[in-house]
Amino acid sequence: EAQVTQNPRYLITVTGKKLTVTCSQNMNHEYMSWYRQDPGLGLRQIYYSMNVEVTDKGDVPEGYKVSRKEKRNFPLILESPSPNQTSLYFCASHRPNTDTQYFGPGTRLTVL
Amino acid sequence: QKEVEQDPGPLSVPEGAIVSLNCTYSNSAFQYFMWYRQYSRKGPELLMYTYSSGNKEDGRFTAQVDKSSKYISLFIRDSQPSDSATYLCATRYTGANSKLTFGKGITLSVRP
Repeated sequence: EAQVTQNPRYLITVTGKKLTVTCSQNMNHEYMSWYRQDPGLGLRQIYYSMNVEVTDKGDVPEGYKVSRKEKRNFPLILESPSPNQTSLYFCASHRPNTDTQYFGPGTRLTVL
Repeated sequence: QKEVEQDPGPLSVPEGAIVSLNCTYSNSAFQYFMWYRQYSRKGPELLMYTYSSGNKEDGRFTAQVDKSSKYISLFIRDSQPSDSATYLCATRYTGANSKLTFGKGITLSVRP
């Protein structure tokens, strides 16, 4: 089954404790993105990647890091999480020149 | 002004009603227009896609774009309780690397 998987689905952590949210897709898509979704603000892109070792900032990259060492994986790293990073995070992937983004099921992160 | 503005909602209608969901955008360079549907506790999924102005119909759903007024609409005929979800409009420029810009989303509830 074609899908984007994220882990963990739910995470509660404390300020300053480094964490990684994993994302994997099995559709051989070149493009992958991370979004955060907040009430009243909608979906905002954090980072995106056009292919292996090619990443770029989205609209709200501060406080986040990403890497793309393999085509299928695109982890999101929070080196020192803060409460304002409490949010619902989505990973997505798609092929170039298409608008069908495939989203993962989301990771609900709470930073205390 | 945000690039894509969407009616805030929420919206509640009886089963069988015609639903009209609307967005406006500010940048005339946007060429591709999409509607994503997001069920509770799920990631968004592409529902409708249009290029430039015009209408596109798919079953009970019609997407309409009026580039002269920078207006995007989604019409749902004979609405069903299974249509209850959050609907997000999205748009992007021409170009393989162009990112999606999302509206904030509107939550629709269809009452049986």
